[in-house]
Amino acid sequence: SQTIHQWPATLVQPVGSPLSLECTVEGTSNPNLYWYRQAAGRGLQLLFYSVGIGQISSEVPQNLSASRPQDRQFILSSKKLLLSDSGFYLCAWSAGQGSYEQYFGPGTRLTVT
Amino acid sequence: AQTVTQSQPEMSVQEAETVTLSCTYDTSESDYYLFWYKQPPSRQMILVIRQEAYKQQNATENRFSVNFQKAAKSFSLKISDSQLGDAAMYFCAYILVAPLVFGKGTRLSVIA
Repeated sequence: SQTIHQWPATLVQPVGSPLSLECTVEGTSNPNLYWYRQAAGRGLQLLFYSVGIGQISSEVPQNLSASRPQDRQFILSSKKLLLSDSGFYLCAWSAGQGSYEQYFGPGTRLTVT
Repeated sequence: AQTVTQSQPEMSVQEAETVTLSCTYDTSESDYYLFWYKQPPSRQMILVIRQEAYKQQNATENRFSVNFQKAAKSFSLKISDSQLGDAAMYFCAYILVAPLVFGKGTRLSVIA
């Protein structure tokens, strides 16, 4: 069966520091991958999605970036964090063409101080 | 652009009773997918149920069922025999070919 991992689970970082969040999927090939952010008490905001290695689409302009160095690995990065980057970050995958439901990882709680 | 509206920010239900969560969406397309996701206090999003727009039959998953009214663009979730573990945020979501569009969620409390 498929599983999705995210790490770290919790992260506290000072303003201006770099960020790297990692997401990996097991048990499937060539998944579509997604990064979402959820601010406290809010819905989900799609940040990036990827349909293949090196293919990244950005939904919201910001100081975050995403990369997909391997088929089942998706990384969210920032060179300098802002206070407004605090939130809950969720990675998700879907099976691609013909399959639309997304399955989510456990999430990373990021606090920028 | 497609939008998803959940008009009930909070709902509550007595244990063992039935509750219905509302969702409406806006689209000009005829073939799409709709989902309900549950987000418990752990905050991991869990897929509860899916509905293909081309299917007239309402989807059912154990105690969870939907009332899909395509003409009215309505997609409500009914939870029967509510349990304490059903307490969570519930999100309605729509997809055509683009990534999921989520509503803002409904917080469901279950009263023992």
